[in-house]
This record gives sequence, C-alpha cells and structure tokens, in this order.
Amino acid sequence: ETGVTQTPRHLVMGMTNKKSLKCEQHLGHNAMYWYKQSAKKPLELMFVYSLEERVENNSVPSRFSPECPNSSHLFLHLHTLQPEDSALYLCASSQDRGNSYNSPLHFGNGTRLTVT
Amino acid sequence: DAKTTQPNSMESNEEEPVHLPCNHSTISGTDYIHWYRQLPSQGPEYVIHGLTSNVNNRMASLAIAEDRKSSTLILHRATLRDAAVYYCILRDPTMFRDDKIIFGKGTRLHILP
Repeated sequence: ETGVTQTPRHLVMGMTNKKSLKCEQHLGHNAMYWYKQSAKKPLELMFVYSLEERVENNSVPSRFSPECPNSSHLFLHLHTLQPEDSALYLCASSQDRGNSYNSPLHFGNGTRLTVT
Repeated sequence: DAKTTQPNSMESNEEEPVHLPCNHSTISGTDYIHWYRQLPSQGPEYVIHGLTSNVNNRMASLAIAEDRKSSTLILHRATLRDAAVYYCILRDPTMFRDDKIIFGKGTRLHILP
C-alpha cells in the first residue's frame, strides 16, 4: 500500500471514446503529478499540480486534460486518443515545502491503458 | 538539466551485496542525489537520497564520492524481491516548481537465486 490509489488498474478504449483516470492520495500531500511510462522508454512527466494549481504542463497534447479538484484527488481526462498513447499512466504525490522542495515522490501502481 | 548515467543492467547473487553505480559529472552544488526503484507491475518507490555525506536507511545505503560526480547505491544483502529497475536522479530543492524530476532509463537489476 503506497498511499496513492489509482483506478482503474487496466483500461481499454477506442480512439473515439472519452474516459477518465482517477488518482487519490491519502498522505496529506499538497502536490500531485501525472507521468507516462511507455514500453522501453523512461518515465515522462506530463503534469504537476501544487496546491491545486497547475505548475507544469510538459508539452502534452490537448487530448489529455488534467483536473485537480482538491489536494487529494487528481484526474486525467482522455478523449480521441491514438494507439501510440497506450502506456502505463502513473500518478504521484509529494509534500511541496515551498523553497525547500526536495520531498520524495510517492507513486501509485498506475493505470495500464490500451488504445485500440 | 543535470544528467545521470547508469549501466543498463546488472546481475547479482541472492544474499550478496549489490553496488549500483551512477555517474553525474555535471552535478551542481545544490543538487541532491535521489534513488528510486520500480518493481514489476508497480510504480516507482523512493529508496534514499543524500547531498554530500553517505546515508543509510532500512532499505539501502548511499555512498557519495568526495567530488560528488558519482554515487553508489548499496543493497547490503540482496533478495529476490530486490529485482527491479533502479533510477538515480538529481533534484535541486532551490529550483522551486522548476524541479522537473526527470527519470532516465535506470539499471535493471537481476537477482540470481
């Protein structure tokens, strides 16, 4: 149990579907992240939220839309995806301490997404 | 961004110590060295981090070279459960909100029974 829960664990969707990935953290953290992990590639940072404000959007296509309604929940809304978007999507959280930003990331176990 | 270099893979025998190297020749004075590992079918988990002095915790030890251009993660007694991909990354705590936390390809550690 990592304290970061992602649902669903597996998702298969067609290119015309709309779906959402959910992440919930039970650690009292105030920063949350979305990462993408494709086969044989390093983890790619997608989005960062700190205190519910988006502070990083790492050139992610608009077919991925994040939402952070509060510090415990993070969503990734998906629409009109491409087969190359098939990957493991990982959520993480940390405690953002302002100008002493060095706290470890706590990851969930990811959602394995397959786009057909 | 400061970069790290790690071997693609390593093997070790069960119940023996494992030394996982990481080179970071362009490290800046404010960069901390962090290690994470990712077990199969799981997200990465934090292992340890340090700045200049060697560090120990219940999972591992971190040995940092005097010039800080390299470091070594030490697993004192490897078990089959330590088979994972190990990532060495640099983080600058003064780079508030610019700290991108970039993961490389890491080292895939195989443990032989």
